[in-house]
Amino acid sequence: DIQMTQSPSSLSASVGDRVTITCQASQDISNYLNWYQQKPGKAPKLLNYDASTLETGVPSRFSGSGSGTEFTFTISSLQPEDIATYYCQQYDNLPVTFGPGTKVDIK
Amino acid sequence: EVQLLESGGGLVPPGGSLRLSCTASGFTFSIYAMTWVRQAPGKGLEWVSGINGIGDNTYYAESVKGRFTVSRDNSKNTLYLQMNSLRAEDAAVYYCAKDDYDGNPSRFSNWGQGTLVTVSS
Repeated sequence: DIQMTQSPSSLSASVGDRVTITCQASQDISNYLNWYQQKPGKAPKLLNYDASTLETGVPSRFSGSGSGTEFTFTISSLQPEDIATYYCQQYDNLPVTFGPGTKVDIK
Repeated sequence: EVQLLESGGGLVPPGGSLRLSCTASGFTFSIYAMTWVRQAPGKGLEWVSGINGIGDNTYYAESVKGRFTVSRDNSKNTLYLQMNSLRAEDAAVYYCAKDDYDGNPSRFSNWGQGTLVTVSS
């Protein structure tokens, strides 16, 4: 199975800060990498797919990049409504696997 | 608007069985793969199982293979997950999700609200 790791596991930042989350795959997954946002008590929401494509309707302050084994997800200006846990997910190989998540909150 | 509504969760003793359902609306159900993802209390997301649009290809996580069976009834726009020989570690919120494609599980653009499965005597 492809192992996904994320760093940091949690972070605290101020409103307006630039926030970057890293996701690393245990082997080359090309660009088969998605990002989800999960708010407490809610279902996950797809934000970004194929490493760098923003899902329709998602604010442009969110962006993803990377390929191969290293990926980043950036919030260019953190907003209060962005408080959530963010997960990366690979679908290059079965089983689909998720990263352990990065919890983002406001300082 | 895509809507997914899970049902069938509840309390079941270890070794017991449960069948989850996911009723879909707002899209042509039969042309999309569907998936089950679970989340144990306070934990991350774990992909459980997937099925292609016509239901002739199924996929499972190793942790549930041989115990869980995914199926779909396209005439009823409903996805199922039959869970047998349940273990304490199967306790979780189970989400159904719509894939953006047919075929192997890929990206999950719509999710249900989840149904809670508790395994305890």
